[in-house]
Amino acid sequence: KQEVTQIPAALSVPEGENLVLNCSFTDSAIYNLQWFRQDPGKGLTSLLLIQSSQREQTSGRLNASLDKSSGRSTLYIAASQPGDSATYLCAVRPSSRAGTALIFGKGTTLSVSS
Amino acid sequence: DADVTQTPRNRITKTGKRIMLECSQTKGHDRMYWYRQDPGLGLRLIYYSFDVKDINKGEISDGYSVSRQAQAKFSLSLESAIPNQTALYFCATSDGTEANIQYFGAGTRLSVL
Repeated sequence: KQEVTQIPAALSVPEGENLVLNCSFTDSAIYNLQWFRQDPGKGLTSLLLIQSSQREQTSGRLNASLDKSSGRSTLYIAASQPGDSATYLCAVRPSSRAGTALIFGKGTTLSVSS
Repeated sequence: DADVTQTPRNRITKTGKRIMLECSQTKGHDRMYWYRQDPGLGLRLIYYSFDVKDINKGEISDGYSVSRQAQAKFSLSLESAIPNQTALYFCATSDGTEANIQYFGAGTRLSVL
């Protein structure tokens, strides 16, 4: 059974720091991996999606990498800002078969202080 | 306006009551999903639907039912609510492309007393 783990569960950093959030999964046979941001009262927002054939994706100050063979993904946030404070969730899609559910990690709650 | 709208946003109810959570979307997507989120357990899939006539159980469907009234509307019902159904519920949609990115509503916080 696929399991997704995110470490650390919580992280506090001062503004301007670069930081890395980690996601690991037990079964390397995934179709893609997605990083979400969750803000209180606003649901989940998709940040980046990496297909299994890709190594990384970038969007602005965010960079997500994928090492499928080792079952790991990282989300790198450059020059963190207070507005980055949120919970970040990693989710894997186990296969391309229709109806395959996303399997979510429990998230990393990030707090960036000014 | 939000692309995926959930109503109500918050609900408190009593054990044994029937509750309906509603979801509507303006993204034109065929696929819709209901998840619940519990502290320490992450998000888990309850039901999903690929079109009006295609509804499927997810990981934790017991105690829930759904109705896909139209392409844009997908409702989740708790026939007889119990306290361990207290959770944050999310509706999501996807376009069914290869990436199948899911778009989430803002969530409904349900408390069953």
